[in-house]
Formats: sequence, structure tokens, C-alpha cells
Amino acid sequence: GAVVSQHPSRVICKSGTSVKIECRSLDFQATTMFWYRQFPKQSLMLMATSNEGSKATYEQGVEKDKFLINHASLTLSTLTVTSAHPEDSSFYICSASPGWESTAGELFFGEGSRLTVL
Amino acid sequence: AQSVTQLDSQVPVFEEAPVELRCNYSSSVSVYLFWYVQYPNQGLQLLLKYLSGSTLVKGINGFEAEFNKSQTSFHLRKPSVHISDTAEYFCAAGFQKLVFGTGTRLLVSP
Repeated sequence: GAVVSQHPSRVICKSGTSVKIECRSLDFQATTMFWYRQFPKQSLMLMATSNEGSKATYEQGVEKDKFLINHASLTLSTLTVTSAHPEDSSFYICSASPGWESTAGELFFGEGSRLTVL
Repeated sequence: AQSVTQLDSQVPVFEEAPVELRCNYSSSVSVYLFWYVQYPNQGLQLLLKYLSGSTLVKGINGFEAEFNKSQTSFHLRKPSVHISDTAEYFCAAGFQKLVFGTGTRLLVSP
């Protein structure tokens, strides 16, 4: 099946600093990737749709200047949390779909990245 | 627009007992339906999906789900659970851009 990998799996940073999370599709090309945020014991909330070679599409209520998304290649999307604050602490998960007929509509998820802002 | 409702936030069950995790959806168009499982501090893994055709869908780890259009439900079932099935289960609807339910924590005890 399709493999999506995230890095780092855990990151701790000081308030005010920026953190970059990488999401890679290892065995397929992804023109679109999705970034989700998950609060403790809660569901996944879609933050934005990352589009290769163009601007990301953000969901309502998500600050685009706070959460910078770059999709520079068909296998890599990055999420940068700028000027992080403790309230940004969360579990961030990326996902992508290879577009194969056998996996129609299905999303493949990365392992997730737990961000802790002190 | 689509929405997904998981009626139970937590389901405790004894090992080897059957279990059903409930999911209801609403959508103005036909949608694909999915069940994902999440183990602590990990991403999501697909259990099964319904696209069309047979309403009874079999997935991995002995799970199955039945699509019921009249009741707009897609409940997940397993006839005999294991300790290792303890995890968070998410129902989702859509096509690539998925909407997730709030999740059901399955707690399997000896």
C-alpha cells in the first residue's frame, strides 16, 4: 500500500520559535496532501489542503500566517508553525492519496507529529 | 456538506465478546465511508471502506461494517475482540477530503 511518512514524530520548542514538520509520500506522487490537527481525546480537524506548486487552501478559522504550508514537490509537503505558543501544542497528522483505482477516495496517514510548546 | 456522528465516546468490552461501534452520517450526495483505527501516538490505519456494491464490507483484523442507506448508518462490528483491539476508532465520510466523527475508544479487558 501507499506509505506516508512524517518527521519529526515529537518536537518540543520554546514559545515564540518556529517549528517545521515534514510529510513525505514514499512510494507515490501526491499532488494534494491534507494536514489535520488532533487535540487530546478528540477527533481530527482538517486544517488545510496542500497543493503541489500552488497555495494551500485553508479551512475556516485556521490562521494561514500561523500555519505555513509549502508543497514544493510531488512527494513533500511541509507545515511550519510560526511563533509557536502553548495553545499550538497538539498532534499534527498529514495524509495523502495516491489516486490509484484500488485506493479510490482513501487517505493514507503519516505517523503524526506531537508538538509541545513550552 | 457531510457530517459524521459516532454515538459512543467509549465502549468497554471483555475479551472474546462481540462489539459494535456505531456511526451515522449525513450527506446531500453519495459518499464513500471509512473506518480507521488509531493506536496511541500514531497515525490512522484503514480498517475498511465502502464505496459501492455489497453493503457488507469486510476489513482487516476481523472487522466488518454494514452500510445501511435507509438508516444512514455504517456500524463497525467484530464477533470476538482481542486485547490488542484496544484503540480509538474513527468513522469518516467523503472522497479524499474526509470528514471524521469524534471517535470511539474501544477498551478491551481480560
